[in-house]
Amino acid sequence: DADVTQTPRNRITKTGKRIMLECSQTKGHDRMYWYRQDPGLGLRLIYYSFDVKDINKGEISDGYSVSRQAQAKFSLSLESAIPNQTALYFCATATFDEQFFGPGTRLTVL
Amino acid sequence: SQKIEQNSEALNIQEGKTATLTCNYTNYSPAYLQWYRQDPGRGPVFLLLIRENEKEKRKERLKVTFDTTLKQSLFHITASQPADSATYLCALDPPSNSGYALNFGKGTSLLVTP
Repeated sequence: DADVTQTPRNRITKTGKRIMLECSQTKGHDRMYWYRQDPGLGLRLIYYSFDVKDINKGEISDGYSVSRQAQAKFSLSLESAIPNQTALYFCATATFDEQFFGPGTRLTVL
Repeated sequence: SQKIEQNSEALNIQEGKTATLTCNYTNYSPAYLQWYRQDPGRGPVFLLLIRENEKEKRKERLKVTFDTTLKQSLFHITASQPADSATYLCALDPPSNSGYALNFGKGTSLLVTP
């Protein structure tokens, strides 16, 4: 089984809808991250968390919120989706030396 | 502000040759640097980490160098194979107040042809 799983893997939604992307990990890591990836822009950090009580904004947090329900679960929400949030979203966990990425969620906002 | 630059142009090489990818950074003094491989539509996968006090690191056909004076890392794949075709990302450790969230370059696409 994969160490970091993301659901859904693909999602098409409409402008204004609320969307939740979920991430689970079995690696037992405290650090978890949400990134988005756009062609030509690379990976950009949205939010990160050190534990269930420690949530921090990344460079592009506007329009997003997160919830750390447990050490193993970190969800990303788009309260009111807009077309420029169309992207590939990755969840990751980390040790001091390495990040472990999930398979990604491809989100399309029409 | 910190800036990480990787060649935006794809690198095309012939099978068996050595591929060399470059990562340059500015306004930055990272304690370590990492390289990741990413296949289309999939998450990046960790390859190697090199620390500021290490000049070179090897793993099988991979070699990474780290020159803190030039602010540059080189990533080499020797005896390249078509299966090495992917995008390669460099990532630098952040300033100490940013939660150990790596800063990633935009990546360089490598295509190895038979």
